[in-house]
Amino acid sequence: DQQVKQNSPSLSVQEGRISILNCDYTNSMFDYFLWYKKYPAEGPTFLISISSIKDKNEDGRFTVFLNKSAKHLSLHIVPSQPGDSAVYFCAASEGSDLTFGTGTRLQVTL
Amino acid sequence: DGGITQSPKYLFRKEGQNVTLSCEQNLNHDAMYWYRQDPGQGLRLIYYSQIVNDFQKGDIAEGYSVSREKKESFPLTVTSAQKNPTAFYLCASSTQGAQPQHFGDGTRLSIL
Repeated sequence: DQQVKQNSPSLSVQEGRISILNCDYTNSMFDYFLWYKKYPAEGPTFLISISSIKDKNEDGRFTVFLNKSAKHLSLHIVPSQPGDSAVYFCAASEGSDLTFGTGTRLQVTL
Repeated sequence: DGGITQSPKYLFRKEGQNVTLSCEQNLNHDAMYWYRQDPGQGLRLIYYSQIVNDFQKGDIAEGYSVSREKKESFPLTVTSAQKNPTAFYLCASSTQGAQPQHFGDGTRLSIL
C-alpha cells in the first residue's frame, strides 16, 4: 500500500515558468513533509520541508504548500531553471521514519 | 567538509556471493539508514540504526544484514539469500529522531 503517492512520473516546463509538483498521502499520522531533489547516479539532496502545523513554507524560488484536509502537498518552483531538471521525491515522516513517493522527473526546457 | 561517503560507487557480484557496501559519515549523526531504489520506485528502507550497537529491520530486510559497531560506520551486507540484489543502494544519516536525513551518493550493485 503506497502511503505517499506522486501520480505524475514526469513533468516538462519551460524555463522561467512555474513548476508545480504534487504529492498525496494517506497516513494522517505523518507530521512532517520533505522534498528531495535527485540527479542521476547521486544521492537525494534535501530541498525544503514543512511541518504539519503549517500550510506554507518558502525558501527562495521554492515553496511547499500543505493541505492537511486533502492530504496533499505541492512544491512550486518559480522561476524554473534548466539546473532544476532532476527527479523530485516527496517524503513524509512519522517520528524518525521516512516514507518516500516514487518521484517526478522534472525537465526544464529552454 | 562533513558528509556521507559510500563506497564503492559500482559493485558487481557473482551469484551466490555475499558483498558488503560501505557507508561512513562524519556528521556526528546518531541515526543511520540504508535504502534501496529500483527503477520507477521510491526509496525503500532496508535497515536503520538509531544508536551504536543497535539496529532495526526496515520494510525489505530479507537477504540483508548490517552492523553498527561505530557511530560513523554502518556497513550493509547483501547476502546470497537476496534473490534480486540488482539496485541502487543509498545510505543516509540524521540527528536521532529528527529530519531531514542526509544521503550519500549511492552504490550501484549489479549481478554478473
